[in-house]
Amino acid sequence: QKEVEQNSGPLSVPEGAIASLNCTYSDRVSQSFFWYRQYSGKSPELIMSIYSNGDKEDGRFTAQLNKASQYVSLLIRDSQPSDSATYLCAVPSNTGNQFYFGTGTSLTVIP
Amino acid sequence: DADVTQTPRNRITKTGKRIMLECSQTKGHDRMYWYRQDPGLGLRLIYYSFDVKDINKGEISDGYSVSRQAQAKFSLSLESAIPNQTALYFCATSVNPWETQYFGPGTRLLVL
Repeated sequence: QKEVEQNSGPLSVPEGAIASLNCTYSDRVSQSFFWYRQYSGKSPELIMSIYSNGDKEDGRFTAQLNKASQYVSLLIRDSQPSDSATYLCAVPSNTGNQFYFGTGTSLTVIP
Repeated sequence: DADVTQTPRNRITKTGKRIMLECSQTKGHDRMYWYRQDPGLGLRLIYYSFDVKDINKGEISDGYSVSRQAQAKFSLSLESAIPNQTALYFCATSVNPWETQYFGPGTRLLVL
């Protein structure tokens, strides 16, 4: 089992819709979770971080964490074509030595 | 100016050549990382360093070496490049293990 798993997609949503991206992780003691956005050929950039169970909202983005189910998600409301990118989920290892990244979910927002 | 810079941004080399990719940061972070990214495989850790005297192998270190010349500089070398090292390489930094990593712009490497 991989440390972090994501559906690779591609996920397509119409402009203005809600995009839902999901991630599961294997280490029950993980405490911090990150969502990155990566445009094609560019570097990952941080979108959201979440540390506690529940929801965390930042503008059109909401991160949801459920530690009991080892599940973290990212919701993008009012999706825009500029949101079209690959979204990476990342979880630090319990030793703190490295991050584990998912393989990413490709999102396309259709105008 | 960018906080994490990488040089070169693009590089074409031939099999068997030695090349060096360089990373510099102005964020003052002790922790630095080198990743490679291949389509469908995500980001894979090559090496990481927690300070100038602490360098560690990641999951795919074979064929690579690194040098931490200073807190701000971390270089990745391919001793004898081979075609399956063709990839997008990223340097990253972080302030501690549980905070976000900040990525450089990447180096696109093609080994012929």
